[in-house]
Amino acid sequence: GESVGLHLPTLSVQEGDNSIINCAYSNSASDYFIWYKQESGKGPQFIIDIRSNMDKRQGQRVTVLLNKTVKHLSLQIAATQPGDSAVYFCAEKTPRGNTGFQKLVFGTGTRLLVSP
Amino acid sequence: ETGVTQTPRHLVMGMTNKKSLKCEQHLGHNAMYWYKQSAKKPLELMFVYNFKEQTENNSVPSRFSPECPNSSHLFLHLHTLQPEDSALYLCASSQLTRGGSNQPQHFGDGTRLSIL
Repeated sequence: GESVGLHLPTLSVQEGDNSIINCAYSNSASDYFIWYKQESGKGPQFIIDIRSNMDKRQGQRVTVLLNKTVKHLSLQIAATQPGDSAVYFCAEKTPRGNTGFQKLVFGTGTRLLVSP
Repeated sequence: ETGVTQTPRHLVMGMTNKKSLKCEQHLGHNAMYWYKQSAKKPLELMFVYNFKEQTENNSVPSRFSPECPNSSHLFLHLHTLQPEDSALYLCASSQLTRGGSNQPQHFGDGTRLSIL
């Protein structure tokens, strides 16, 4: 079945380091991917997205890379700060079915711990 | 402020109680979703409403009953729940276009539900 997985359940970094969070997806027909950040007591917060016709997309301090050959997605956070500590989820949008709605498949998440 | 507001934030109820969760989105979106988030499990899609019409029921037990009176409000009516239903219930919204463009879902902060 469809699945989205994360290679590392916990990533610990020092403040100022660059962080890389990885994600593997299984559906080669997925055409849209999203990274979310979830802080304790809050809902998932949209960080950045990328369409399958792109390999790279940059935001403020974040970059998402998409490698469709190996079905791999990564989130790079530059100059990681303590406020970046959270659980990060990747999600893929499965091919649109008859209903036409956007169904996202989520991974279990990677916890990022940033120490001062 | 995510633009998606959920109430209550916390709810404790007995198995024989009836309660409702409420979600309101202020983003002008036309699709709304209910998700269940349990510990160490990926987000599970429960229901989807597209233009106020329910387009997906992801094999959810009948003790969960959604209601979408308009495109800005979504309810989840709860009745005779089980202890395993204890979880964080998240509401999300997104903008669906006829052309099928990809837009991210935006989440509320959830209702933490505990079944005694």
